[in-house]
Order: sequence, then structure tokens, then C-alpha cells
Amino acid sequence: GENVEQHPSTLSVQEGDSAVIKCTYSDSASNYFPWYKQELGKGPQLIIDIRSNVGEKKDQRIAVTLNKTAKHFSLHITETQPEDSAVYFCAARNQAGTALIFGKGTTLSVSS
Amino acid sequence: EAGVVQSPRYKIIEKKQPVAFWCNPISGHNTLYWYRQNLGQGPELLIRYENEEAVDDSQLPKDRFSAERLKGVDSTLKIQPAELGDSAVYLCASNLQGTETQYFGPGTRLLVL
Repeated sequence: GENVEQHPSTLSVQEGDSAVIKCTYSDSASNYFPWYKQELGKGPQLIIDIRSNVGEKKDQRIAVTLNKTAKHFSLHITETQPEDSAVYFCAARNQAGTALIFGKGTTLSVSS
Repeated sequence: EAGVVQSPRYKIIEKKQPVAFWCNPISGHNTLYWYRQNLGQGPELLIRYENEEAVDDSQLPKDRFSAERLKGVDSTLKIQPAELGDSAVYLCASNLQGTETQYFGPGTRLLVL
């Protein structure tokens, strides 16, 4: 089945710096890759997603890139702010298209 | 528009006791998911419903876990009897059939003593 690896597990940056989180997946048939942000005591919230027919997608300070050949996808956050501090999860939809397989998460800390 | 509603938010029980979690999805969402999130991990799917039908329950430990969605709207997940290893956050999510974005509720944090 699908397996998603996420790195790093923790990331500390200064306000205004960029943050990059990387994920790899194992199932070449996966075609949908969302990123979720989870704040303490809350459920995951979708922040951006990308489909396999697109190499890059951007939404204001957040961008996601996808390399289908290498089975890598990455989240890029520019001009980080303290409110970006949270746990970020990448996910890939499984081959059957029925479930999301999540990475283990990255705890991002943005200090002012 | 109201999001996915879950209750209770927190539950503390002793091992071997039963426990139940309730979820009300976003109005009109016919696909409903239950996930379990262990500490420091990502969510893992337990069961997926399309309307009232459980279409993927392959990851549900059926010896002690059960779920229902009788009228195709809200859903209940039950554990009987609970074990220490069941301590986790139980998340409910929903989406409109045919769309990709899953919307998560706040979760129920279960502690089994």
C-alpha cells in the first residue's frame, strides 16, 4: 500500500524566513496530494493541495511543488509569521482513491 | 456554514469500559470518515462511509470497534472494551462525494487509564 515519509519532524525558523517541508510517497498511482495544518486541540485544516497533472501551485505565501518522477512533493511557506506555527501534515491519496495516507507531521515553530 | 461537529471533545475512561464518539458531518456531505491519530503521528483511516454504507472498514479492529451511520448523516464510533492502547484522538471528516477535499472535525481526545 501507499507509504508517505515526511521530513523534517521539527523545524524552527525566524519570522520572515522561509520554511520547506518535504514528503515522498511510494505509490506511483497516487494522484492527489493535500497539505493540512493542525493547531493544538484542533482538527487538521486543508491549506493547499495539488494534483498529479500539475507541477506547482501557489496561494499567497504558500506553494506546493510535485515531482512525479521522483515521487516527491514539498510545501514552501515564505515570509513566515508566528501564526504559521503548527503541525503540518502531507498526505497522498491511495491507489483506490478511497483514503488519504498521511505523513507523520512536521512541527513548525516561527519565532519573532 | 457549520463545520464537522464531534462530541465529546474529551473522554477519560478506565480500561475495559465502553466508549462512544459522535460525529455530525457538514450538511450535504455524503462521505464520512473516522480516523485515529496517535500522539505524534498523522491520522490513520479506520472506516469510510458513502451515505449509510461502510465501503472501507479494512483498518477497523472489528473485535472491539464498531461504527454506524444509520440514516446516512451522523455517525457513531464505539469501542468495547477499551484498552490502554486505544488512547488517541479520534477524528471525523467528511466530503461531498466526488470531490477531494476532506473537512475534519476537532476530534475527541480519548484517554484510557
